[in-house]
Amino acid sequence: GNSVTQMEGPVTLSEEAFLTINCTYTATGYPSLFWYVQYPGEGLQLLLKATKADDKGSNKGFEATYRKETTSFHLEKGSVQVSDSAVYFCALLDTGTASKLTFGTGTRLQVTL
Amino acid sequence: ETGVTQTPRHLVMGMTNKKSLKCEQHLGHNAMYWYKQSAKKPLELMFVYNFKEQTENNSVPSRFSPECPNSSHLFLHLHTLQPEDSALYLCASSQTPDGSTEAFFGQGTRLTVV
Repeated sequence: GNSVTQMEGPVTLSEEAFLTINCTYTATGYPSLFWYVQYPGEGLQLLLKATKADDKGSNKGFEATYRKETTSFHLEKGSVQVSDSAVYFCALLDTGTASKLTFGTGTRLQVTL
Repeated sequence: ETGVTQTPRHLVMGMTNKKSLKCEQHLGHNAMYWYKQSAKKPLELMFVYNFKEQTENNSVPSRFSPECPNSSHLFLHLHTLQPEDSALYLCASSQTPDGSTEAFFGQGTRLTVV
């Protein structure tokens, strides 16, 4: 079956530090990959996505590259801000399993001044 | 404002109570979803509706009963819940149910069963 594994949090960084949140996946087909973000008290928002191998998704300074050879989709940002504090979810959609987004457990990011 | 509104935001209920969660989307989407978010666990897809028809039920206990009267509204009726059902319940919608279009999430209902 499909699964997504994320690094456990919380991740605590100082403002302007470099961020990496690891995500690896297992899928039977050729999935699309997503990062969602959940700010405190809010629902999930799509942050970025990539639909095929070697694609790079980017948004708001965040980037992730679809690596088929390592089955990974790590999230990176060069300089985090306090406003980036949130929970980040990696997810996949296998084209063979319509409508089923498979999520990881989420990684909480705390950015301090 | 994501276009998906859930009410109530917080709900405390006893195990013998009956309550309902409501979700409304103003995006003209055709597919709507219920997810359960528990601490330290992946989001669990519960139900999928496409054009008001239920297309997926992920082995959810019968104490959770969904209802979709039209493409804009989705309900989750709750009865005789257990304390382990306490979680954040998220509603989402998308233009199509095949995942080719982005899913928009509501803010969730924080449910506590006592």
